[in-house]
Amino acid sequence: AQSVAQPEDQVNVAEGNPLTVKCTYSVSGNPYLFWYVQYPNRGLQFLLKYITGDNLVKGSYGFEAEFNKSQTSFHLKKPSALVSDSALYFCAVSLGVNTNAGKSTFGDGTTLTVKP
Amino acid sequence: GAVVSQHPSRVICKSGTSVKIECRSLDFQATTMFWYRQFPKQSLMLMATSNEGSKATYEQGVEKDKFLINHASLTLSTLTVTSAHPEDSSFYICSARETGANTGELFFGEGSRLTVL
Repeated sequence: AQSVAQPEDQVNVAEGNPLTVKCTYSVSGNPYLFWYVQYPNRGLQFLLKYITGDNLVKGSYGFEAEFNKSQTSFHLKKPSALVSDSALYFCAVSLGVNTNAGKSTFGDGTTLTVKP
Repeated sequence: GAVVSQHPSRVICKSGTSVKIECRSLDFQATTMFWYRQFPKQSLMLMATSNEGSKATYEQGVEKDKFLINHASLTLSTLTVTSAHPEDSSFYICSARETGANTGELFFGEGSRLTVL
């Protein structure tokens, strides 16, 4: 079975400061890892993914994430937060892209609030 | 980027009626689509995996006769909430994976907020 943990329900940062949203995963095999963002009353938007290759992945809106195999983590980061980054962030893991193996497991989400 | 359209975005219905929600991939084909339910301030709960041309695969605890899923074409999946009751009120979201794409990311619809009176 695969699982994702987002240990923080809420992350608060000041605008201009760096932000980190944490994610750890558990999967038996090589993970496909994803970050999605959800704005109020909207669907989720894809931010970035790790499949293979460089451990540091860059994505949309200046976000990046680092895959750490030894710590089974995939934390989302941004050097300088914007008020508009305030949203609900989901980490997800899957084992591949076939129909059932590719079924993604989502974390419980972390609400990011950036204060001006 | 790939776009998924979900309709309606909001629907209010009376208890006992049925409601159909559509999920369309606008610029790509999707053999597989997923339906989720999201409660306020909570994560996504996967309800079922919708497979084009075959029966949907439901998650444990999800009533297949209550939540009917049809995936008749490579660009359309529908979720019908039958005989809706107030406890079915929720935010329903669909997602799709592009057929043949070996990248794994999901493209989500904008969600449908169902309110059953």
